[in-house]
Amino acid sequence: QKEVEQDPGPLSVPEGAIVSLNCTYSNSAFQYFMWYRQYSRKGPELLMYTYSSGNKEDGRFTAQVDKSSKYISLFIRDSQPSDSATYLCAMSLTTGNQFYFGTGTSLTVIP
Amino acid sequence: KAGVTQTPRYLIKTRGQQVTLSCSPISGHRSVSWYQQTPGQGLQFLFEYFSETQRNKGNFPGRFSGRQFSNSRSEMNVSTLELGDSALYLCASSLQGAQGEKLFFGSGTQLSVL
Repeated sequence: QKEVEQDPGPLSVPEGAIVSLNCTYSNSAFQYFMWYRQYSRKGPELLMYTYSSGNKEDGRFTAQVDKSSKYISLFIRDSQPSDSATYLCAMSLTTGNQFYFGTGTSLTVIP
Repeated sequence: KAGVTQTPRYLIKTRGQQVTLSCSPISGHRSVSWYQQTPGQGLQFLFEYFSETQRNKGNFPGRFSGRQFSNSRSEMNVSTLELGDSALYLCASSLQGAQGEKLFFGSGTQLSVL
C-alpha cells in the first residue's frame, strides 16, 4: 500500500464550477500537508501549506485536513481555464524534510 | 529572486551510459532535495543534501548518487542507465531543510533512456 493515495482522474469541469480534490494517507505521523500545482513540462508549484488539522483559505483555494480520517482535500472555487493542471498532494513527518507525494490528479477546466 | 534552476532541460541517453544533472537552488537556500517523477509512481524521494552532506536518502539503488558544493549547488549522477530510469528528475530547495519546511521546485530535467 502506498503511503499517499490520490485519484489520478482525469477530472473535467466547466468554468466556474467548484472542484474538490482529495488524498488519503496511511501514516498517522504526517503533520505537514501541502498541495502543489504542476503545469505540463513544469515543476510543481506550492499552492497551499497546512500544519496538522484544520482549514486554510487563500483566495479561491481552501485546504482541509482531517487527521482522524487521514484525509486531506483541496477545494477550488470559481474554477478558471488557467487552473487546468495536475494537482499533487504532499505530506511530511515531524522529523526530516522528506515529502511523500500522491501521484497527482489531472484537472481540465473547460471554458 | 531567481527560482530553482535545473540543467539541462532534456537529455537522451542509451542504456549503460551515465548522466549528470545539475541544480542551482534559490539564493540563500542551503538544502537541496532530488525527486524522480514517473507517471505510474509519481514523485519519489531520492536524497537530500545540506551543507555538502547527504542527510537523508530514499529507496533507490546505489547507481543514483549526488553531491552538493559549498555554494549549495547540487549535482545528481546516475550510472549504468536502465530503461526504467526514464523520468522527470526534479530538484527542490528549502532554507534549512527543517521539518515541514516548504519545498520549491525547479522545472526538472526530462531524461529519456533508449
